[in-house]
Amino acid sequence: SQTIHQWPATLVQPVGSPLSLECTVEGTSNPNLYWYRQAAGRGLQLLFYSVGIGQISSEVPQNLSASRPQDRQFILSSKKLLLSDSGFYLCAWERTGLSTLHFGNGTRLTVT
Amino acid sequence: KNEVEQSPQNLTAQEGEFITINCSYSVGISALHWLQQHPGGGIVSLFMLSSGKKKHGRLIATINIQEKHSSLHITASHPRDSAVYICAVREYGNKLVFGAGTILRVKS
Repeated sequence: SQTIHQWPATLVQPVGSPLSLECTVEGTSNPNLYWYRQAAGRGLQLLFYSVGIGQISSEVPQNLSASRPQDRQFILSSKKLLLSDSGFYLCAWERTGLSTLHFGNGTRLTVT
Repeated sequence: KNEVEQSPQNLTAQEGEFITINCSYSVGISALHWLQQHPGGGIVSLFMLSSGKKKHGRLIATINIQEKHSSLHITASHPRDSAVYICAVREYGNKLVFGAGTILRVKS
């Protein structure tokens, strides 16, 4: 069966510090991978998606970047966090083509 | 105007009531997803549909492509159904656009 792992679950970081959130998927190959952010009281916002290794599409220009160094690994990074980067970050995967989305448990990031 | 509009934004129901959550969208889509977000934040996919109707347990999802509208129904609601329900549409080109969510609280 397929599983998705996302860590850490919670993170408190000072402004200006770097960020690295990792997401891995097991039990499938060549998945589409997504990073979403949910600000407090707001809906989900797509940040990045990837249809293959090294292929990253950015939806919203911002302080974040994403990388896909391996087929089932998706990393969300920042060199210098801003207060506005606080939020709930979710990784998701799906098989290519029309498919059900599967979400990780999320990372709650607080930038102080 | 958002591409995906959900109504109501908040809904409180008594246990056992029949619940309907609506989703309207303004763009052409290839599929529509209904998601459930638990209080802890985890999200579960309930349905993906591109036409007609799907049923899973007490949950029913319908979509009318011509009217650009979908509904999620919960029969015999229970406090454990309390969650945020999110509609998301997949535009042609694969982009997913999310509604803001409907906060449902079912009281016993």
